[in-house]
Amino acid sequence: DAKTTQPPSMDCAEGRAANLPCNHSTISGNEYVYWYRQIHSQGPQYIIHGLKNNETNEMASLIITEDRKSSTLILPHATLRDTAVYYCIVRDNSNSGYALNFGKGTSLLVTP
Amino acid sequence: GAVVSQHPSRVICKSGTSVKIECRSLDFQATTMFWYRQFPKQSLMLMATSNEGSKATYEQGVEKDKFLINHASLTLSTLTVTSAHPEDSSFYICSALLRVLNTEAFFGQGTRLTVV
Repeated sequence: DAKTTQPPSMDCAEGRAANLPCNHSTISGNEYVYWYRQIHSQGPQYIIHGLKNNETNEMASLIITEDRKSSTLILPHATLRDTAVYYCIVRDNSNSGYALNFGKGTSLLVTP
Repeated sequence: GAVVSQHPSRVICKSGTSVKIECRSLDFQATTMFWYRQFPKQSLMLMATSNEGSKATYEQGVEKDKFLINHASLTLSTLTVTSAHPEDSSFYICSALLRVLNTEAFFGQGTRLTVV
């Protein structure tokens, strides 16, 4: 079972920031928070990951609460091409055999 | 980022035949690869973990004799769907971890299998 909870769907206007929440209240100390997205009929695309510090890259920012029980993925200026299903996943990186277990994700619709 | 190539991207086969799907890591060596299956409007479901040079580990409910996995080299894993039936029609996706830095998993573009 996935260890994260996400809203099933969200809308965002083009050009505005998209803030996607994720709850992971049972996260353990070794587990990282990963975000992937899947555009229709394609393989998942890596976005960002973090352990406890906030992270930023060219795609997005990841804000992790101090207690690590929740996080928010921020797409600063959403475009129509950002319409996709976004998955928040926790994974223990200490063992390469641990797969990413996908939950149901959040279906983000970016509208003109 | 690293590239994982999956082939074919789409295949149609007749019931009772077998289909092989290839997953290649193009610019890195992958000791571990994963195979997922995704039905329409559902999330990805892990089928098996494939380790180079050893037998794959299958998730509960996945028939190892039906879904044959071979990971003979550090850059190639194959999934063979044997004696395919219409209920095996699905989107199959592979994923690979970098050999040294296992902190990111890279995914292939997926294979749409239709069994008629």
